[in-house]
Amino acid sequence: DQQVKQNSPSLSVQEGRISILNCDYTNSMFDYFLWYKKYPAEGPTFLISISSIKDKNEDGRFTVFLNKSAKHLSLHIVPSQPGDSAVYFCAANMDSNYQLIWGAGTKLIIKP
Amino acid sequence: ETGVTQTPRHLVMGMTNKKSLKCEQHLGHNAMYWYKQSAKKPLELMFVYSLEERVENNSVPSRFSPECPNSSHLFLHLHTLQPEDSALYLCASSQDRFYSGNTIYFGEGSWLTVV
Repeated sequence: DQQVKQNSPSLSVQEGRISILNCDYTNSMFDYFLWYKKYPAEGPTFLISISSIKDKNEDGRFTVFLNKSAKHLSLHIVPSQPGDSAVYFCAANMDSNYQLIWGAGTKLIIKP
Repeated sequence: ETGVTQTPRHLVMGMTNKKSLKCEQHLGHNAMYWYKQSAKKPLELMFVYSLEERVENNSVPSRFSPECPNSSHLFLHLHTLQPEDSALYLCASSQDRFYSGNTIYFGEGSWLTVV
């Protein structure tokens, strides 16, 4: 049973618009969440993270929102740029456990 | 450049071959990992080394054998693999094995094809 789910395998967004990537989790013990971005033929690179004590974290064009009651987090990219086209992975972790639990990824395509 | 280097980037091997994947990190981290990524599946943690000691192997088949001679180098020895083992193998490192805010840094991966 997947504890971290990214239900949209792909998402297509017009350049300049907002991209919203979603992630749901089932384990209420998770207290730290991360987003990674992956280009083809490269390893994932860290994008942004959020602790469960917050409900929002912002870094430039990227904002992550956490809704603990709904066990849902989302990544907002505004404005979307062609270079944002990649696969985005959501991951979760609980304190004192070294394992990151990963979603299956969402492929984001930014249309010019 | 993430500070984690993997070689080779691409490897094609027969089911009877023995080969190795190599990983080196230049970040001064204490923990290193092997992950497997298959198409449309979540990243699968295979092995974790912390200060050169193996912490977790997640029930990986014995045809995959890790080796960590020091905190900067990690190998994955491959022996009598199956075609379903074809995947992208990712090496990663982090400051220590407990996350709680740590960032994990990945190499570019080694594409493995078993024929």
